[in-house]
Amino acid sequence: RKEVEQDPGPFNVPEGATVAFNCTYSNSASQSFFWYRQDCRKEPKLLMSVYSSGNEDGRFTAQLNRASQYISLLIRDSKLSDSATYLCVVNSGGSYIPTFGRGTSLIVHP
Amino acid sequence: SAVISQKPSRDICQRGTSLTIQCQVDSQVTMMFWYRQQPGQSLTLIATANQGSEATYESGFVIDKFPISRPNLTFSTLTVSNMSPEDSSIYLCSVGGTAEGNEQYFGPGTRLTVT
Repeated sequence: RKEVEQDPGPFNVPEGATVAFNCTYSNSASQSFFWYRQDCRKEPKLLMSVYSSGNEDGRFTAQLNRASQYISLLIRDSKLSDSATYLCVVNSGGSYIPTFGRGTSLIVHP
Repeated sequence: SAVISQKPSRDICQRGTSLTIQCQVDSQVTMMFWYRQQPGQSLTLIATANQGSEATYESGFVIDKFPISRPNLTFSTLTVSNMSPEDSSIYLCSVGGTAEGNEQYFGPGTRLTVT
């Protein structure tokens, strides 16, 4: 089993739709969780951290389920500009070296 | 967040030659990393650049092929040695361990094509 798994997609949704991505991780000792966004031919950029209590930033909501070892990202009212690859990132306890998922591709169309 | 620059942004090199990529950060950081990302693929960690000591390489990557320097807390270089077309990729520098926690921030990347 891979350490961090994501559905590669692509998720093809119309503008205004709500879309959700899940990411599962195998290391139960993982302590830090993040979602990154990567546009085509660009570097990954931090989208949001994922806290135990959940985290919301505008149209984006991230949640953590430790019991089932997954994190999720919900995007409401999708915009064309949301089209990108979304990377799930997990850090094990005390380690600065993260594990990246392969990414989930999102395409928002008019 | 940290501001990271990389040079060169892109290069086309002949096989058998070497290229050194520079990474500069605008603040002192504990951890610096070098990644490779091939088209359509996920990020692959090459090594952790340790200040004042030898880099820590991941499985499949060796110092002779990817020598790394880290002379201080704001600068690192990665050299891709004796290049082959299989080394064509995007090379990304990233930093972590800033005052804001252990999020990682990435440089803009160096797009390398080996002919």
